[in-house]
Amino acid sequence: QQQVKQSPQSLIVQKGGISIINCAYENTAFDYFPWYQQFPGKGPALLIAIRPDVSEKKEGRFTISFNKSAKQFSLHIMDSQPGDSATYFCAATLMNSGYSTLTFGKGTMLLVSP
Amino acid sequence: EAGVTQSPTHLIKTRGQQATLRCSPISGHTSVYWYQQALGLGLQFLLWYDEGEERNRGNFPPRFSGRQFPNYSSELNVNALELEDSALYLCASSFDPDTEAFFGQGTRLTVV
Repeated sequence: QQQVKQSPQSLIVQKGGISIINCAYENTAFDYFPWYQQFPGKGPALLIAIRPDVSEKKEGRFTISFNKSAKQFSLHIMDSQPGDSATYFCAATLMNSGYSTLTFGKGTMLLVSP
Repeated sequence: EAGVTQSPTHLIKTRGQQATLRCSPISGHTSVYWYQQALGLGLQFLLWYDEGEERNRGNFPPRFSGRQFPNYSSELNVNALELEDSALYLCASSFDPDTEAFFGQGTRLTVV
């Protein structure tokens, strides 16, 4: 059972454009929703995260939008740069059970063309 | 401060053999998590160790096992290797179960 569905699988955006990656979850008990960025040959690194008591969180060019009723959340990358080219994973978890319940989406490979 | 370190970086084994992967957490971190990242499947949770004890296990067969040592480093063992075990194995560590976990660069296991 795939508890976190991520789309699209791949994305090509021109430099300066907006990259949008969407995720949907099934378990309404999830209470922490992080996004990870992974470059080739590296492990995933936490990019930004949100809790369900807020609808939006912004850090620099990265924004998470959260829709609790629809059980969906998305990552927006404003003014996308070639250095943003990486694989992005959304995830969801129950914080009181540690990262062992961290459920990942299958990832989106983003390519930002110069 | 050193991050999570994993060894070896790459490992090639023959089907049926055993593989041992190692992880050193960030200094002061007591929780260690193991994930499998297989092509097209995303990251799948394997094992969680905290204070030397196995706290949780993902949906993997018993031939995937591990342990955590008194210095909080950890070892993942995969017995009776199968071709589909080929994947990137990632280790992550956190200060405690409620705080952010940081990932290492992974061990690329190839089973031939």
